[in-house]
Amino acid sequence: GAVVSQHPSRVICKSGTSVKIECRSLDFQATTMFWYRQFPKQSLMLMATSNEGSKATYEQGVEKDKFLINHASLTLSTLTVTSAHPEDSSFYICSASSPGQGNTEAFFGQGTRLTVV
Amino acid sequence: GQNIDQPTEMTATEGAIVQINCTYQTSGFNGLFWYQQHAGEAPTFLSYNVLDGLEEKGRFSSFLSRSKGYSYLLLKELQMKDSASYLCAVFDSNYQLIWGAGTKLIIKP
Repeated sequence: GAVVSQHPSRVICKSGTSVKIECRSLDFQATTMFWYRQFPKQSLMLMATSNEGSKATYEQGVEKDKFLINHASLTLSTLTVTSAHPEDSSFYICSASSPGQGNTEAFFGQGTRLTVV
Repeated sequence: GQNIDQPTEMTATEGAIVQINCTYQTSGFNGLFWYQQHAGEAPTFLSYNVLDGLEEKGRFSSFLSRSKGYSYLLLKELQMKDSASYLCAVFDSNYQLIWGAGTKLIIKP
């Protein structure tokens, strides 16, 4: 299957700082990337959907000014958590797909565990 | 609204067979996925069904009935390492993934 690389896998940051998480599709062009967060013992929660070259579509309740998503190319999307607070500590996962090109499977990155102290 | 239902938790015995059901109500349908997720890790792709019927892949099989909005994941010859959460997800008409809450599968010796 295709490979999606997410970096970093773990990050600890101080409250008030910003953290950038990268999601790269290594061997295919991802027209659509999804960003999720997952709290312990809970399901994945979709935060936003980004299509290459356009603004991300955020789910209700997700602050777009706090969670900045950039999908500037077909192989890279970034999620920046701005002014992070302890309640932002979570597991963030990206997935990439190209449904319009017959690739209906969504490939996941390894996830990023963010701890804000 | 869009909804995917699956049991919260199931328990099975090592070596046995378990079936995890998933029912869905979505705006359109472009395929159903099953993922396995171990604690603290990203989900791992198990199967994808877009046509009715049974897809077999080793110890794991997945079944889909589009008319009933129903799927199941069948795990045979259970091993302790199969203890994980199993997530059902559907691509809707806009190719947005709609997730179930996951089924925690506990395997006992």
